[in-house]
Amino acid sequence: DAGVTQSPTHLIKTRGQQVTLRCSPKSGHDTVSWYQQALGQGPQFIFQYYEEEERQRGNFPDRFSGHQFPNYSSELNVNALLLGDSALYLCASSLFRGGYTFGSGTRLTVV
Amino acid sequence: GNSVTQMEGPVTLSEEAFLTINCTYTATGYPSLFWYVQYPGEGLQLLLKATKADDKGSNKGFEATYRKETTSFHLEKGSVQVSDSAVYFCALSDQSSYKLIFGSGTRLLVRP
Repeated sequence: DAGVTQSPTHLIKTRGQQVTLRCSPKSGHDTVSWYQQALGQGPQFIFQYYEEEERQRGNFPDRFSGHQFPNYSSELNVNALLLGDSALYLCASSLFRGGYTFGSGTRLTVV
Repeated sequence: GNSVTQMEGPVTLSEEAFLTINCTYTATGYPSLFWYVQYPGEGLQLLLKATKADDKGSNKGFEATYRKETTSFHLEKGSVQVSDSAVYFCALSDQSSYKLIFGSGTRLLVRP
């Protein structure tokens, strides 16, 4: 049974560019959450998607946006990249109010 | 707001030593509490959880007890192994929110 799959695993972008990260949830899960983990820090909640809608959002600017597709997969988009956006981006899937399964993350480096 | 505070690392132990990683929380109501582990280059894995006061979560020799009176959820293991070397995160989830709130993590290094 495949767990949470994220792509790409690593990428390097230039300041001001835009990036899209992708997540396929664990089979049977219908909810996707995104977290940002800066180096040496704990993950910070970005937002959660359920039934193709953003259900809750953390303290992140509007440059961070997302989408959930009918097959429950999700994308995280970040516009106008800043050096401070360099981090590990983690996707977690779950059933409503259920336990979370995390992916291995996408390591984004902004130069 | 809700928050989690963990002891700073790194924690360095010899194999078979006793481990304690302290975690305290601030939250309204009755949150669920979790310990996650992150191995190098990987995502987070749920280690154990507790959903109400006095519950004890346990897994792979690790234990933590939900102490509401002291707002704590300390992680313990009686005999650590080299393979336990990782970063450990304490987290909470409150009933009115969909998100996990994490501590800053504690790095554990176990030497042979």
